[in-house]
Amino acid sequence: DAGITQSPRHKVTETGTPVTLRCHQTENHRYMYWYRQDPGHGLRLIHYSYGVKDTDKGEVSDGYSVSRSKTEDFLLTLESATSSQTSVYFCAISGTGEDDFFGQGTRLTVV
Amino acid sequence: GNSVTQMEGPVTLSEEAFLTINCTYTATGYPSLFWYVQYPGEGLQLLLKATKADDKGSNKGFEATYRKETTSFHLEKGSVQVSDSAVYFCALRSGGGADGLTFGKGTHLIIQP
Repeated sequence: DAGITQSPRHKVTETGTPVTLRCHQTENHRYMYWYRQDPGHGLRLIHYSYGVKDTDKGEVSDGYSVSRSKTEDFLLTLESATSSQTSVYFCAISGTGEDDFFGQGTRLTVV
Repeated sequence: GNSVTQMEGPVTLSEEAFLTINCTYTATGYPSLFWYVQYPGEGLQLLLKATKADDKGSNKGFEATYRKETTSFHLEKGSVQVSDSAVYFCALRSGGGADGLTFGKGTHLIIQP
């Protein structure tokens, strides 16, 4: 299995609070991604990174920011959580763009 | 923009039945196509892929052929097992390695003994 770890695995937070999710990889892969999974929508890309300090927006980036200060870590921040951000968040990594490996997911509930 | 369309289900079959899950896509250029599988409570796992027209991806008895003329990548298996019960996602990537995947909504497959 690819070395990719998401933390926390579960989190409940209140509306308006900041939340940071972490994705850590041990594969030294260049590309990292954050997706959210919602019923009826499949997975949708939030942000992605193609190198240290190199990030870009995906399809559903509003309300989210990311940072990648070192190859192995990709952080997703919700500056002020809203109920519409209740979701399951997946991190993925890719070395070549042809084989993506996914983390176990983080279930976030905003109350 | 890119999009992927697949039946959502649930699709319920008996063990040893033939499986087809349809997937069609819209994309710029020449995308790579993928099928991912998600078991309950887990992340997605790559099941198979095809990177150019007429390629056939295969794994664990599953197959899919990249059909450019019909913009399709249908997933098939000749004889399903209870252990195949999962959610299956069709996906594409049309750019280089930096571009994320575009997913279909997923098909929930239930295999009954």
